[in-house]
Amino acid sequence: RKEVEQDPGPFNVPEGATVAFNCTYSNSASQSFFWYRQDCRKEPKLLMSVYSSGNEDGRFTAQLNRASQYISLLIRDSKLSDSATYLCVVNVPEDTGRRALTFGSGTRLQVQP
Amino acid sequence: DADVTQTPRNRITKTGKRIMLECSQTKGHDRMYWYRQDPGLGLRLIYYSFDVKDINKGEISDGYSVSRQAQAKFSLSLESAIPNQTALYFCATSVGQQETQYFGPGTRLLVL
Repeated sequence: RKEVEQDPGPFNVPEGATVAFNCTYSNSASQSFFWYRQDCRKEPKLLMSVYSSGNEDGRFTAQLNRASQYISLLIRDSKLSDSATYLCVVNVPEDTGRRALTFGSGTRLQVQP
Repeated sequence: DADVTQTPRNRITKTGKRIMLECSQTKGHDRMYWYRQDPGLGLRLIYYSFDVKDINKGEISDGYSVSRQAQAKFSLSLESAIPNQTALYFCATSVGQQETQYFGPGTRLLVL
């Protein structure tokens, strides 16, 4: 089983739609969670961190469910510019106590006019 | 100027050649990382360094080596390149407990 799993998509949605992505992680000791956005052939960039109580940044809402070990990203009022691949990222503690982030393979979103 | 730079941006090489990819950062971060990205597999960690004297293997370090010449510089070497090392390579930096990472623009490597 992969440590971080995402539906690869693509999710094709019309402008203005609401779309949600889920991501599951396998290590219950994980402590930090993020969503990154990656445009085609570009570097990933942090979209938002995910906090235990859930958090919102404009049209984007992230939530964490520790009991079920998943995080979600909700995008409201989709824009054409939201078209990208969204990477779920989880901190996976290592035996030495050091941490390294583990990236999901991404969910591709295509917003259509 | 970009905070994290990578050179070269594109490289074509032949099987068996030695190649070095370089990463420099002006963010003042202690932690630096090298990843490769392949279609459908996402980003995979090759090596990471938490300071100049600290080097750690990631999940796919075989066939790669690194050098942390200074806080701001972290180089990745392929001692003898092979075709399945064809990929997009990213360098990243981070600081702090939350481990937010900042990526360079990537190096596209093609091994023939």
